[in-house]
Amino acid sequence: GNSVTQMEGPVTLSEEAFLTINCTYTATGYPSLFWYVQYPGEGLQLLLKATKADDKGSNKGFEATYRKETTSFHLEKGSVQVSDSAVYFCALSDRGGYQKVTFGTGTKLQVIP
Amino acid sequence: EAQVTQNPRYLITVTGKKLTVTCSQNMNHEYMSWYRQDPGLGLRQIYYSMNVEVTDKGDVPEGYKVSRKEKRNFPLILESPSPNQTSLYFCASSLSGTGLTYEQYFGPGTRLTVT
Repeated sequence: GNSVTQMEGPVTLSEEAFLTINCTYTATGYPSLFWYVQYPGEGLQLLLKATKADDKGSNKGFEATYRKETTSFHLEKGSVQVSDSAVYFCALSDRGGYQKVTFGTGTKLQVIP
Repeated sequence: EAQVTQNPRYLITVTGKKLTVTCSQNMNHEYMSWYRQDPGLGLRQIYYSMNVEVTDKGDVPEGYKVSRKEKRNFPLILESPSPNQTSLYFCASSLSGTGLTYEQYFGPGTRLTVT
C-alpha cells in the first residue's frame, strides 16, 4: 500500500532560520503530492501541491519539488517567521478509482523570536 | 464564505451512548470524507462519499457509520462509542473524488472524549 514518511518533530527554529522538513513516499504509479498545514486549533489547509515529477509547488515562501528518482517531496522555506508555527503534513493522492489521500504523521514546527 | 462546518466542536460522552457529529459544506462539493487524527498516527480515513447515496469504507471504519442523503451533509454516527474512539475528528470535502489535484477543504475538527 501507499505510505508517507515525514521527519519526526518537533522542530524548533529561531526566526529567520532556514527550514527543511523531509518527506518521502511509497506509492504505485504516479501520485500527486501535497503539503497541508494545521495551525493551532484549526483544521488542515492546503499549503502547496505538485502533480508530476520535477514540478515545484510554492506558496507563502514555502517550496517543495516532486522528486520521482528519490521519491521525495521535502518542504523548504528560506526564512521562517513566528507565524509559521504549526503542524505540517505531507500527503499523496493515488491514481486509484477515487481520491484516496494518504497522510504522513505530521511534523510540528515551533519558531521562536 | 466557502467552508466546512462541524458540530459539536467538543464532546465528552460515556461508553455506549450513541452520538452524531454533523458535517456540512457550502461549496457544492461531490466528495466528502471523515478522518481521525491521533498522536503519532497522522490522519486516517474513516469513511468517504463520492456523491449523494454513495459511501464507502476508508482505512479505519470499525465502529462508525455514515450517510449521505444530501450533497452538503455527511454526518458521522457512533452507535456505541468506546474509549478507543477518543480522538480528534475532521470532516473534509473536495470538488470531485476522482481528480488527483483537487485539494481537500477541512472543517475545524471535533474533539471527542469517550469515558
